[in-house]
Order: sequence, then C-alpha cells, then structure tokens
Amino acid sequence: AQTVTQSQPEMSVQEAETVTLSCTYDTSESDYYLFWYKQPPSRQMILVIRQEAYKQQNATENRFSVNFQKAAKSFSLKISDSQLGDAAMYFCACYSGTYKYIFGTGTRLKVLA
Amino acid sequence: DTGVSQDPRHKITKRGQNVTFRCDPISEHNRLYWYRQTLGQGPEFLTYFQNEAQLEKSRLLSDRFSAERPKGSFSTLEIQRTEQGDSAMYLCASSSLGPNQPQHFGDGTRLSIL
Repeated sequence: AQTVTQSQPEMSVQEAETVTLSCTYDTSESDYYLFWYKQPPSRQMILVIRQEAYKQQNATENRFSVNFQKAAKSFSLKISDSQLGDAAMYFCACYSGTYKYIFGTGTRLKVLA
Repeated sequence: DTGVSQDPRHKITKRGQNVTFRCDPISEHNRLYWYRQTLGQGPEFLTYFQNEAQLEKSRLLSDRFSAERPKGSFSTLEIQRTEQGDSAMYLCASSSLGPNQPQHFGDGTRLSIL
C-alpha cells in the first residue's frame, strides 16, 4: 500500500524567514511522482511544486524548493523568504501507476508578521 | 481556462436523503478525480475517470456512492441514503494525461448532514 506521512500538524515561521515542511512516503512502485499542494483557507488547492522520482536533481520553483531523498523516502518542502500569503495548509502527495494520488494529512503553516 | 467548477458549494440535507454534486472540469482535461476531505485530513481518493471511463474506484466507497462522467465532460457524484459520516468536503480535480501533470482542483462541495 502507498502511504504519505506528514508529521508536523502545524508550523510557524516569521515573515522573510525560511521554513521546511517534512514529508515521508512509502510506495512499492519504482516509477512515481511527488507533489506539494497548497490549500489557503476557503480557497482552491493549487500545485506548489512537483518532483519526478527518476530525477536526482531537486525541483525548485522560485522561493519553493524540495529536498528529495529517495533512499530515505523523504520529500521535504523548503519555503524561503516566507510571505504572509504563504499561510495555508500544505499537502504532500504521491502518484504512482495506479492512477491514485495519495495525500498526507497536511501541515498548517502560519506566517508571523 | 475557466478552472474547475463545482456545484453546489454547500449542501445541507437530512439523513437518509439523496444528494448529487456536479463537477465541470477544465475542458481539455481527460482525467477527472473525486476526493473526500474531512476536517484535519488530506483529500481521500474516491474515484477516477479517464474520459468517460471510470477506471478506478476506492474500496472505501460504499454502494451508496456512484459517479458518472457522460461523454467525458462534466461529472456527477451521487450519494444515496446519506449518513452522518458522509459529512465532508467533496473535491473534484482534473488534469491532462501524463503522470506528472498537476491536478487542478475545484472549490469543493461541502456536505452537511443534519
């Protein structure tokens, strides 16, 4: 069975600082894809960043980057220069060949002014 | 790109009633997913369509749940004989073909069972 675990229910960061959200996953598939999604309060879930498991290079998207440790099955999200608009629930997700995306339970990020 | 739209945004009904939700995906997207999300949890996979074919259905989905996607366009999710435990946010998402294509989510339909 495929699982995604986010062990941090809530995190806080000062504006302009850096924060790292943790995610571990487990899958028996050799070919899979990992995603971070952001869900602002009462708003749509949107994609933040994605990583193909076959790529060794960590993905980056502006202030967002990942630390993908394939052997450890770890996929953490780093947010640099945090902004008030980054406050949201963040979900880690894994997709493999069964068409299903498996999501973690989420981490609520608070950004302090 | 008008995004994924879901209707209604909020549905309140009495236990035992039937409810139907609609999802209109992004027009060129072949894939359509339904999820259920409860408070403090991530989206939980319910079912998946590729065009009009329902290719996968979660074992968590009881016989009271059914979904359709006629002609590969909009989709409906029906819950019959609703129960208290059905109270949740029901999310629809669509994507293009390809494993690394991001899902585009709708705003969701919040179901409240009285």
